[in-house]
Amino acid sequence: ETGVTQTPRHLVMGMTNKKSLKCEQHLGHNAMYWYKQSAKKPLELMFVYNFKEQTENNSVPSRFSPECPNSSHLFLHLHTLQPEDSALYLCASSQDRDPYNEQFFGPGTRLTVL
Amino acid sequence: GQNIDQPTEMTATEGAIVQINCTYQTSGFNGLFWYQQHAGEAPTFLSYNVLDGLEEKGRFSSFLSRSKGYSYLLLKELQMKDSASYLCAALDSNYQLIWGAGTKLIIKP
Repeated sequence: ETGVTQTPRHLVMGMTNKKSLKCEQHLGHNAMYWYKQSAKKPLELMFVYNFKEQTENNSVPSRFSPECPNSSHLFLHLHTLQPEDSALYLCASSQDRDPYNEQFFGPGTRLTVL
Repeated sequence: GQNIDQPTEMTATEGAIVQINCTYQTSGFNGLFWYQQHAGEAPTFLSYNVLDGLEEKGRFSSFLSRSKGYSYLLLKELQMKDSASYLCAALDSNYQLIWGAGTKLIIKP
């Protein structure tokens, strides 16, 4: 498999559930990102990892918890979410944290919080 | 504050030309990206401009005017498969990407 993959593609969860989103990249990249994409709103950068170390956390609520066990895998652990957290969650990777590098995106997980 | 403006939606006809505009107000500027996102799919990189002028890449061209804080994406010989959202993103002085909300382009036969 090539590129950036995300599972699951769709997720429906209640506000008291705990779930995890998974992202895997097969590009040999060293930087990985989580974004939130809501309808008709700009992409919101949530977290950045570079060489497995978290380098950015853009004031994301603690109910979202990222984990990067290695440069190829990125998780987003979800706990006690709110309905307004319903959105498309996109994972991306790039060669490294050089901002001029093209980012390669996964297809996203469509999350619905009931 | 930092802001990217682009039209919410545009409609064009197959075979025609369409120009999608993007204006940006950022603290400093280190270039502008365009990405294409088909419905339900991942955004994919189209272009990066940091110098003024037009860069052509097949049917797609991207233009930048730094003095005007303005860019556009020009799509020629439109095909039905060009129906997608087009995302504009500017790199600010802290090398953070500031994203627009995207322009949904609808192509009609």
